Amino acid sequence: SQQGEEDPQALSIQEGENATMNCSYKTSINNLQWYRQNSGRGLVHLILIRSNEREKHSGRLRVTLDTSKKSSSLLITASRAADTASYFCATEGDSNYQLIWGAGTKLIIKP
Amino acid sequence: NAGVTQTPKFRVLKTGQSMTLLCAQDMNHEYMYWYRQDPGMGLRLIHYSVGEGTTAKGEVPDGYNVSRLKKQNFLLGLESAAPSQTSVYFCASSYRWREQYFGPGTRLTVT
Repeated sequence: SQQGEEDPQALSIQEGENATMNCSYKTSINNLQWYRQNSGRGLVHLILIRSNEREKHSGRLRVTLDTSKKSSSLLITASRAADTASYFCATEGDSNYQLIWGAGTKLIIKP
Repeated sequence: NAGVTQTPKFRVLKTGQSMTLLCAQDMNHEYMYWYRQDPGMGLRLIHYSVGEGTTAKGEVPDGYNVSRLKKQNFLLGLESAAPSQTSVYFCASSYRWREQYFGPGTRLTVT
């Protein structure tokens, strides 16, 4: 069963614009993580936000978490062609061992 | 420091054949995971291990077996391959409940 659901499923923007993608989940969580997957490659961890945090930044990435709405957003500012990838959210709930993954948002940055 | 490596990168099997996928990590991580990724879906956990000599079932364990005889290695076995097991398989490792590090994936086709 997939807990995280990303929205939109696909997003195409011009280079230099900001990209926002959202993740919703169903049950209480300990933390929420965002990962990037370039075509044909393994996933790369981007950022982890704990349930008691509301916002976190890492370079051009900004993640927010609203536990009352059970949702998170990932903002990529000043997008670059290299940001073209699929982005996944993953939530860690009661089990410390397992992450529950969403289906991902496919982001295309047009030059 | 190679991170997480997977062997082989590609494999084609006939229905009923068996094979073993090898995952190795050099980060001294305690936790290791095997996932499968199908088109349009997020990752689904097959089996995981929280330490040498221990394994546990994930979300989709049927048709797969695993072993963790050494801390750095996690093996995934298919005893009798079926077309439904055509997928991309990813191995990951982590230090407890922190971010997961992924291998490059194994693309398996069962005909």
